[in-house]
Amino acid sequence: EAGVTQSPTHLIKTRGQQATLRCSPISGHTSVYWYQQALGLGLQFLLWYDEGEERNRGNFPPRFSGRQFPNYSSELNVNALELEDSALYLCASSLAEVEQYFGPGTRLTVT
Amino acid sequence: GQQLNQSPQSMFIQEGEDVSMNCTSSSIFNTWLWYKQDPGEGPVLLIALYKAGELTSNGRLTAQFGITRKDSFLNISASIPSDVGIYFCAGQRHSGNTPLVFGKGTRLSVIA
Repeated sequence: EAGVTQSPTHLIKTRGQQATLRCSPISGHTSVYWYQQALGLGLQFLLWYDEGEERNRGNFPPRFSGRQFPNYSSELNVNALELEDSALYLCASSLAEVEQYFGPGTRLTVT
Repeated sequence: GQQLNQSPQSMFIQEGEDVSMNCTSSSIFNTWLWYKQDPGEGPVLLIALYKAGELTSNGRLTAQFGITRKDSFLNISASIPSDVGIYFCAGQRHSGNTPLVFGKGTRLSVIA
C-alpha cells in the first residue's frame, strides 16, 4: 500500500512570492492534515481537511490556506512568503481522527 | 501553539542500553501517540494508546498511557544504532475535531 506522498520535495522561493505544496493521502483516508516543522522545533498544526471541508485551523495567519479535492488530495498555499516561513511542511492522512500517517515532507526555503 | 512537555531533549546512550523518555501535560488527554522521525523524513507512527493505564508494546518499544491521563512514557530496550532519531509524543485532548498536539521531541543518539 502506497503511503502519503508529497510534492515537491524541495521548494525555493523568494520573499513575497507564493508557494503551493501538494499531498496525496493513503488510499481510503479521507482526512488530511498539514503541519509546519521549523528547524529545531516540534510540529505545529496548520490545517485539517476532511471530506473536502476545513475542519480545524491552527494559529497561523490567513496567508496560509489550502483545500482538499474530491479525490482527497490536498494543496497548501502560502502567500506573501516571509523568511520565517522556511520550514519542513508535513502532510499526514488518517481514516480515524487520531492515528495520522505522515508523508516525507516538502522543504520550503524562502530567500 | 500549545505543546506537550517532552523530556529529555536529547540522550546519548551506548548500544544495548535501555532508553526511557516521557511526555507530560497540565491537561488531560484522551489519546497518546509516539512517533519517530529520521533525518529528512516524516514521522513514523510507533505506538498509539487509547485508555488510561494502557501499556502497549511494539517489538523492543513499550509505551504507557499514564493513569492520570496527563502523561505517557516510551521505553526502548536493548538499543541498536538504527534507533537513532527524534522521538515525538503527541496527544489528542478531546475526541472530535481537535488536532494532535506534539511535544518538541527527544533526540536519541546511540554510540556503538
